[in-house]
Amino acid sequence: DTGVSQNPRHKITKRGQNVTFRCDPISEHNRLYWYRQTLGQGPEFLTYFQNEAQLEKSRLLSDRFSAERPKGSFSTLEIQRTEQGDSAMYLCASSLEGGPGQRTLPLHFGNGTRLTVT
Amino acid sequence: AQSVTQLDSQVPVFEEAPVELRCNYSSSVSVYLFWYVQYPNQGLQLLLKYLSGSTLVKGINGFEAEFNKSQTSFHLRKPSVHISDTAEYFCAVGGSSNTGKLIFGQGTTLQVKP
Repeated sequence: DTGVSQNPRHKITKRGQNVTFRCDPISEHNRLYWYRQTLGQGPEFLTYFQNEAQLEKSRLLSDRFSAERPKGSFSTLEIQRTEQGDSAMYLCASSLEGGPGQRTLPLHFGNGTRLTVT
Repeated sequence: AQSVTQLDSQVPVFEEAPVELRCNYSSSVSVYLFWYVQYPNQGLQLLLKYLSGSTLVKGINGFEAEFNKSQTSFHLRKPSVHISDTAEYFCAVGGSSNTGKLIFGQGTTLQVKP
């Protein structure tokens, strides 16, 4: 178990540029979540996948944001035309769905990608 | 809808003293409750979880929490803190659907002083 891996750890970009982050979940986990955390706040849910299907998106996820998990393994989060308000830590987490009659297990988080938009 | 309120934004405490970090939740359905810890520039690490059963839950690093359904609380406690416990602590609630999604509180900064 190598844990959840996120790349890059830090990204500085100019306003208006596009950025893409990658998340590699724990290998046997079928659920993958993206959260955003701004300074002094708790993580806020953005979206989640079960296998390759994106099952829920928060209203925080504007049309400039897109997430994919093409083969049900790693995921990417792209932000187009970045704005200064996008500056935050983007956290990825994964979990294993417990199946019928079983509880979903806790989320395991990566170390995040810190985005700074100048 | 579910929500979490962490009643203290900062908790200063001296080393080896006991500490309690308070968390209240709101939910109309059965809940699962979690405490996570976050060290600077790192992700969140699970401290402990309540899914069902005993209301007193023990976690890593000597932390424990008690689920109180009547008071809708899930306070985190440690009898004797160390300098290394200085970090941000987040309470989270899940269980409103089968998504596994968690709703987090705003966090409590635990500052352990020598």
